Amino acid sequence: DGGITQSPKYLFRKEGQNVTLSCEQNLNHDAMYWYRQDPGQGLRLIYYSQIVNDFQKGDIAEGYSVSREKKESFPLTVTSAQKNPTAFYLCASSGSTGTQANEKLFFGSGTQLSVL
Amino acid sequence: AQSVTQPDIHITVSEGASLELRCNYSYGATPYLFWYVQSPGQGLQLLLKYFSGDTLVQGIKGFEAEFKRSQSSFNLRKPSVHWSDAAEYFCAVYGNKLVFGAGTILRVKS
Repeated sequence: DGGITQSPKYLFRKEGQNVTLSCEQNLNHDAMYWYRQDPGQGLRLIYYSQIVNDFQKGDIAEGYSVSREKKESFPLTVTSAQKNPTAFYLCASSGSTGTQANEKLFFGSGTQLSVL
Repeated sequence: AQSVTQPDIHITVSEGASLELRCNYSYGATPYLFWYVQSPGQGLQLLLKYFSGDTLVQGIKGFEAEFKRSQSSFNLRKPSVHWSDAAEYFCAVYGNKLVFGAGTILRVKS
């Protein structure tokens, strides 16, 4: 079955540590996205990528980094510069490049990141 | 810049009762509008979307939404709620980027 896989489901970060969240899709989608979800705030866009080897900052990119070396993979690193990393992180993909409107987003099941 | 307001943080309805979740948007032109549903600890699933044409949009799971330009609203409705509809619902608007509302948590009492 095609879909988006995020791992791990739960992740803990120590002070000053970088952690990487995995996102893999086998939908052959060009565009991939990372969102952060905090209670009562909806989803906020961190980074997005419309094509391999290219990505763009979203609304809250500070303290995060990404790579897009393969079409199916879009890992997110939460760096030590992100002072408030505790949140639910959602990865999404869509088949259309250049817009989030014409194709619906397919979401992974998320990763809950907590700080020890 | 566009924005989305979901005025109700929580809503509780009885099973079998009708449901309306409110969504108001701000954007200078006609945006693209979406409703997503999220079960606890899961990703989001698209319920329906409005791009143009008929202002009453039918979605999955028996949901519908009506676009009202004069009120800048895109409210989600369902005639008879089932216990399995308990979840968090997000309205989203695309003007020049996709923006999500803060969500409405739906509780269903039996």
